[in-house]
Amino acid sequence: QKEVEQDPGPLSVPEGAIVSLNCTYSNSAFQYFMWYRQYSRKGPELLMYTYSSGNKEDGRFTAQVDKSSKYISLFIRDSQPSDSATYLCAMSVRPNFNKFYFGSGTKLNVKP
Amino acid sequence: SQTIHQWPATLVQPVGSPLSLECTVEGTSNPNLYWYRQAAGRGLQLLFYSVGIGQISSEVPQNLSASRPQDRQFILSSKKLLLSDSGFYLCAWSTGTASSGNTIYFGEGSWLTVV
Repeated sequence: QKEVEQDPGPLSVPEGAIVSLNCTYSNSAFQYFMWYRQYSRKGPELLMYTYSSGNKEDGRFTAQVDKSSKYISLFIRDSQPSDSATYLCAMSVRPNFNKFYFGSGTKLNVKP
Repeated sequence: SQTIHQWPATLVQPVGSPLSLECTVEGTSNPNLYWYRQAAGRGLQLLFYSVGIGQISSEVPQNLSASRPQDRQFILSSKKLLLSDSGFYLCAWSTGTASSGNTIYFGEGSWLTVV
């Protein structure tokens, strides 16, 4: 079993829709949770960073962590065609700050 | 602010030729440095990471090697490329401390095609 599972998609939605992207994980020691956006042929760009449980909002993006269910989500409101990209979740565990665990990415397509 | 530079962006190399990809980080000191490979439609595979000058940890036995000659410079090399070395290579850095927020930041990547 992989430490981090992520549905590869592709996920296709109309412009303006609310998008929900999710990852599950198996290691209850994960404490730091990240979401990255990766455009085609580019490096991943950090979108959201959350420590431990709870919600974090930044503009149209909301990151949620449910440690009891070992489940994290990224919500995108009012999705735009420019949001079309692959979204990667990532996690790390204290005290090994050197190692990061990544999902395989979900490809999102927002149709105009 | 911190920035990471990686080059070359794209290269096409014949089988058996050498490889050198270079990465530098600006705006921070003593970063943790990483090389990842990302195959098409697949996740990120950690190849090497370094916590300091001359300190390299290899995650996957392979045809590649890494070096860190300076604090903010990380180099990925090969003496003889194989077809299977083709892929998207990403350099990354992290602070390695909880106080700074434990996140990892990526360069723009290098597309390698071995022919």
